[in-house]
Amino acid sequence: QKEVEQNSGPLSVPEGAIASLNCTYSDRGSQSFFWYRQYSGKSPELIMFIYSNGDKEDGRFTAQLNKASQYVSLLIRDSQPSDSATYLCAASYGNNRLAFGKGNQVVVIP
Amino acid sequence: SQTIHQWPATLVQPVGSPLSLECTVEGTSNPNLYWYRQAAGRGLQLLFYSVGIGQISSEVPQNLSASRPQDRQFILSSKKLLLSDSGFYLCAWSYGGETLDTQYFGPGTRLTVL
Repeated sequence: QKEVEQNSGPLSVPEGAIASLNCTYSDRGSQSFFWYRQYSGKSPELIMFIYSNGDKEDGRFTAQLNKASQYVSLLIRDSQPSDSATYLCAASYGNNRLAFGKGNQVVVIP
Repeated sequence: SQTIHQWPATLVQPVGSPLSLECTVEGTSNPNLYWYRQAAGRGLQLLFYSVGIGQISSEVPQNLSASRPQDRQFILSSKKLLLSDSGFYLCAWSYGGETLDTQYFGPGTRLTVL
């Protein structure tokens, strides 16, 4: 069973601050990593993906990947109330499948 | 652009009743298709995936089944629902035949079994 772990509890951040989310994965063969955002009662929507070690920036979001440590992170800069959601980390494995973590809830306090 | 549809949006069914959920994708050909279930407080569980018409792979043994009668249509079924089948059912697609793994989700069906 491929595992993706997101162990942090709900994260509360003040508006304008940086939110930091972490994720570890078990399959060393995973090549692709994804962050999805899921608002309450809605389906997940893709925020960004990362394939290579290092940082990838897209607007206020930065994904970081360290394959040696099997670790993926997501930084949200200048957090806004609209960023309040659950963030799901996913890692690829065979036959175009993804394994998802249970998610981290982020609450941005105005 | 690609669009994915799911229906119904919500469903309340008694235990022991049958189930049929439908998913269709527009704007792409030969997609990979996936069915997930998200139970309350739990992560996304992959139920079935398909890489082509009539090709279904099951991830978890259960009383559910899936079919892909057309290239862009994916159906999730059950003959007799259990209480434990309640949850948020999500269909997703990705580009077929490529190395890109990105999956895009439909709006979901919220199923309550009473």
